[in-house]
Amino acid sequence: EIVLAQSPATLSLSPGERATLSCRASQSVSRHLAWYRQKAGQAPRLLIYDTSNRAPGIPARFSGSGSATDFTLTISSLEPEDSAVYYCQLRSGFAFGPGTKVEIK
Amino acid sequence: QVHLVESGGGVFQPGRSLTLSCAASGFDFSAYGMHWVRQAPGKGPEWVAVISFHGINKYYADSVKGRFTISRDNSKSTLYLQMNTLRPEDTAVYYCAKYSDYGEHGDWLDPWGQGTLVTVSS
Repeated sequence: EIVLAQSPATLSLSPGERATLSCRASQSVSRHLAWYRQKAGQAPRLLIYDTSNRAPGIPARFSGSGSATDFTLTISSLEPEDSAVYYCQLRSGFAFGPGTKVEIK
Repeated sequence: QVHLVESGGGVFQPGRSLTLSCAASGFDFSAYGMHWVRQAPGKGPEWVAVISFHGINKYYADSVKGRFTISRDNSKSTLYLQMNTLRPEDTAVYYCAKYSDYGEHGDWLDPWGQGTLVTVSS
């Protein structure tokens, strides 16, 4: 069973700052990893699939990178609406990571 | 526009059974695989089950295998999750989600419904 770890648990930044979120898999998953954003009281929404592809309608400030076991979601310039919990997900077993909470100061 | 609406949640006693439904519209339901995902209060999402577009292939999380059954009725554009022998740890918001249709395998979860809350308590 492949396990995902996310860091940091919480990220507190100001609007306009750059956010870097990490997701690490316990073994190689090639590029089969996705990122979701869940705003308070809402269902998760797919942001990035297959490591680096933005889902339709997702702004260009969101980007994904990585391979094998180490992956990164970058939000280039935070906006107030980006306050949310971000989850990475494997395709193998569709397991989710524990999440990173992004707080906007 | 894709629309997914879950229903069937409520408060149930341990050991009881229930069936959740997910009504789909805005796309050709019979052409897409579908997922169920749950999220316990204050926790992250937990994938539950997936079913292929024709309903033949089904896969489950170990935590629900043997107790939950995923099914679909393509003539009604509806996805189901039959939940037997309910446990308090099954308490969660249950979401259905559609295959994304993009990516190497096309089975990422996009979009999701708004969810239905299942509470298992005596």
